[in-house]
Amino acid sequence: GESVGLHLPTLSVQEGDNSIINCAYSNSASDYFIWYKQESGKGPQFIIDIRSNMDKRQGQRVTVLLNKTVKHLSLQIAATQPGDSAVYFCAENHPSGYSTLTFGKGTMLLVSP
Amino acid sequence: NAGVTQTPKFRVLKTGQSMTLLCAQDMNHEYMYWYRQDPGMGLRLIHYSVGEGTTAKGEVPDGYNVSRLKKQNFLLGLESAAPSQTSVYFCASRKGRGQEQFFGPGTRLTVL
Repeated sequence: GESVGLHLPTLSVQEGDNSIINCAYSNSASDYFIWYKQESGKGPQFIIDIRSNMDKRQGQRVTVLLNKTVKHLSLQIAATQPGDSAVYFCAENHPSGYSTLTFGKGTMLLVSP
Repeated sequence: NAGVTQTPKFRVLKTGQSMTLLCAQDMNHEYMYWYRQDPGMGLRLIHYSVGEGTTAKGEVPDGYNVSRLKKQNFLLGLESAAPSQTSVYFCASRKGRGQEQFFGPGTRLTVL
């Protein structure tokens, strides 16, 4: 619920703007990355993923960019809508063992009409 | 398909009480996970399972136990609840390595 958003970085945009949400990941050996969206009171939902052999991947209104040199991931949302308001998490997949996901703390996106 | 379901949705416990959270998935996924989510902390892995009959510790396993007796179910137990276990608990499953995780709707647990 709304308690998820306490103390999170917040990005506020106007409807129709493009949004860019950033994430720094921790493990240079991570081979798979995912962006999740979490609306208030719900579980995280998959948005888009990218493998480490790519630097860009596009979906519907969303683009993920991967910069392995600086261990940075970004999510770009085109023509942001009020329904995009949520907390956005990046996750990295560790290739060792059974490869669990490690999640970032999240960024709250607020879209004003 | 129902996807990933969790039972119950809400629960209030007193310190020292025990309870079990149930996660079920109907996607025939091998891997299942339990996370807790606290304000400003993101999702932290408690325990996970890579197949029926197997479990492993995650980042914050203390105070919790799990069982995966059937492929579709993953149970999270609290033997003696503490206020520090007040949190929102999410279950997730995935088909295999290098693939997305599907999350349940969460269980909000309060320990008084």
